[in-house]
Amino acid sequence: DAGITQSPRYKITETGRQVTLMCHQTWSHSYMFWYRQDLGHGLRLIYYSAAADITDKGEVPDGYVVSRSKTENFPLTLESATRSQTSVYFCASRGQATAYNEQFFGPGTRLTVL
Amino acid sequence: AQRVTQPEKLLSVFKGAPVELKCNYSYSGSPELFWYVQYSRQRLQLLLRHISRESIKGFTADLNKGETSFHLKKPFAQEEDSAMYYCALLTGGGNKLTFGTGTQLKVEL
Repeated sequence: DAGITQSPRYKITETGRQVTLMCHQTWSHSYMFWYRQDLGHGLRLIYYSAAADITDKGEVPDGYVVSRSKTENFPLTLESATRSQTSVYFCASRGQATAYNEQFFGPGTRLTVL
Repeated sequence: AQRVTQPEKLLSVFKGAPVELKCNYSYSGSPELFWYVQYSRQRLQLLLRHISRESIKGFTADLNKGETSFHLKKPFAQEEDSAMYYCALLTGGGNKLTFGTGTQLKVEL
């Protein structure tokens, strides 16, 4: 379980500020994902990455930016945070040959935008 | 577009009673379905997947393409089964998981 970590675990920020959530995995997994979890919506995919320097939009990408310069890191940036981005954010990863396409999830970051 | 529906937000059962968590999906392609579970203060983790036809912790789920369902079942609920359960559909070449809204299972003594 320690293979994928997220930081910070809790963050409070103000509307309009830039916030970066970090995700790090030690398995050298090719694929990494960002989800947000909201009541009534379950988890929704924000962005994903198939490899370093390859990213693609998910279901709810607006207001978010990602980068992947190294395989092990996949930061998520809120360029100008809004109250609607208050949520719990989960990072996940999977390997190229992971059985049955199983994704492994991080512990989550609880973000509050005031 | 694909969609996963879990009609129950909360399901409360007594210990030893049967459990059925409902999941219906909408997808034009060949579905690949999963159940993920999140226990209190723990990470989201895979419980089972339809393609492997396995039983994990006494839970089973059968894909019914005619009814577009993938309900999760357990004959006798245990207290440790209390958790949030998410049904998920994999598309996009294995890169896009679409989750349902989740069902909170509470097993009472």
